[in-house]
Amino acid sequence: GAGVSQSPRYKVAKRGQDVALRCDPISGHVSLFWYQQALGQGPEFLTYFQNEAQLDKSGLPSDRFFAERPEGSVSTLKIQRTQQEDSAVYLCASSLGLTGEQYFGPGTRLTVT
Amino acid sequence: GNSVTQMEGPVTLSEEAFLTINCTYTATGYPSLFWYVQYPGEGLQLLLKATKADDKGSNKGFEATYRKETTSFHLEKGSVQVSDSAVYFCALSPLSSGSARQLTFGSGTQLTVLP
Repeated sequence: GAGVSQSPRYKVAKRGQDVALRCDPISGHVSLFWYQQALGQGPEFLTYFQNEAQLDKSGLPSDRFFAERPEGSVSTLKIQRTQQEDSAVYLCASSLGLTGEQYFGPGTRLTVT
Repeated sequence: GNSVTQMEGPVTLSEEAFLTINCTYTATGYPSLFWYVQYPGEGLQLLLKATKADDKGSNKGFEATYRKETTSFHLEKGSVQVSDSAVYFCALSPLSSGSARQLTFGSGTQLTVLP
């Protein structure tokens, strides 16, 4: 079956633009995570959904970051008024239950110029 | 809070050499521990895991043992291959019921294996 997919794979935005990053988890996976990976660093947790409920958003770096998963499947991470420090790879992961293995998508590389 | 400290890279080895990548962690309670691998151009993949003290995770010739007394989870392989060239990440997730099991990652170690 299909794995986790993310789109776009690459995004270049001018500073101040809004962007939307999409994640399609594995079908039937209850949990969905977003991570941010800066160049040369490990991924850092942003937010977590259980079905459509956003249960933890403690990792979102500012109120410019917003995530949703309205029907408990596809998720969108939105960044408003992008800044250069937002440049990173944004990873999405899903897992079958609360504690299962997380399967990662290929990521979206965001470059803010 | 939780944290993972990983051996800095890059690491360059010749084929068939022995590999060790050190990983230590700080966490409350008894977290689960993981090694993820990221091959060039691909997403993160789970390599192995251990969920309690003294457990040994193993996969594809790689091994790591959960050592509570030294809070470590070092990755080892007896004989590396060129195809093992990748970035390796050590990670933990907390053991607490009812909460998200988000992963805390180390900074990654780039491994290059030369033929």
